[in-house]
Amino acid sequence: AQKITQTQPGMFVQEKEAVTLDCTYDTSDQSYGLFWYKQPSSGEMIFLIYQGSYDEQNATEGRYSLNFQKARKSANLVISASQRGDSAMYFCAMREGLSGAGSYQLTFGKGTKLSVIP
Amino acid sequence: DAGITQSPRHKVTETGTPVTLRCHQTENHRYMYWYRQDPGHGLRLIHYSYGVKDTDKGEVSDGYSVSRSKTEDFLLTLESATSSQTSVYFCASSLEAGGPYEQYFGPGTRLTVT
Repeated sequence: AQKITQTQPGMFVQEKEAVTLDCTYDTSDQSYGLFWYKQPSSGEMIFLIYQGSYDEQNATEGRYSLNFQKARKSANLVISASQRGDSAMYFCAMREGLSGAGSYQLTFGKGTKLSVIP
Repeated sequence: DAGITQSPRHKVTETGTPVTLRCHQTENHRYMYWYRQDPGHGLRLIHYSYGVKDTDKGEVSDGYSVSRSKTEDFLLTLESATSSQTSVYFCASSLEAGGPYEQYFGPGTRLTVT
């Protein structure tokens, strides 16, 4: 079973609108972390936002927020007021555990390609 | 942003030849990682290091080896390159492993094995 599932291969959003990118995860650990990364066409991986499994508040970073629903095992990224520069691939990733082998690596989803339409 | 560089940025090599990719970080991060990115697979961990001379295997380690003789350098070696190793390779580093410590990624190396 996939540990990170991103069901939207591609998404379109109108400029200045908000968009939600879906991410569901699968883990039996109680302690884990969820990350979102952006990969523009230039290829670099840019960290956007982090949510810990014990965090009670949804994480926010500027125009990015993470809609964390622990019981449903979902960690959707919300981008408000989309801009042309938001056009990119977006990857959800998970780190499992606070220590041990699982805590070292990020397990990535396959990504969602977001296109912002002017 | 963490200073992580990768060299070379692009390489074309022939099947059966050895290839070494270099990752260099200037942040004094203890943890370093090598990932490969292929269409339809996202990023997958090849090997990681949790200190000088301390390395371990990731999800897709077959055909790869790594070495870390200094904190700042992490080398990935393809002992005998195969066409299935054509990919984009990313190096990353982090201050800590667990918790909210994000991994900072290098710019990537595009490797083509003909």
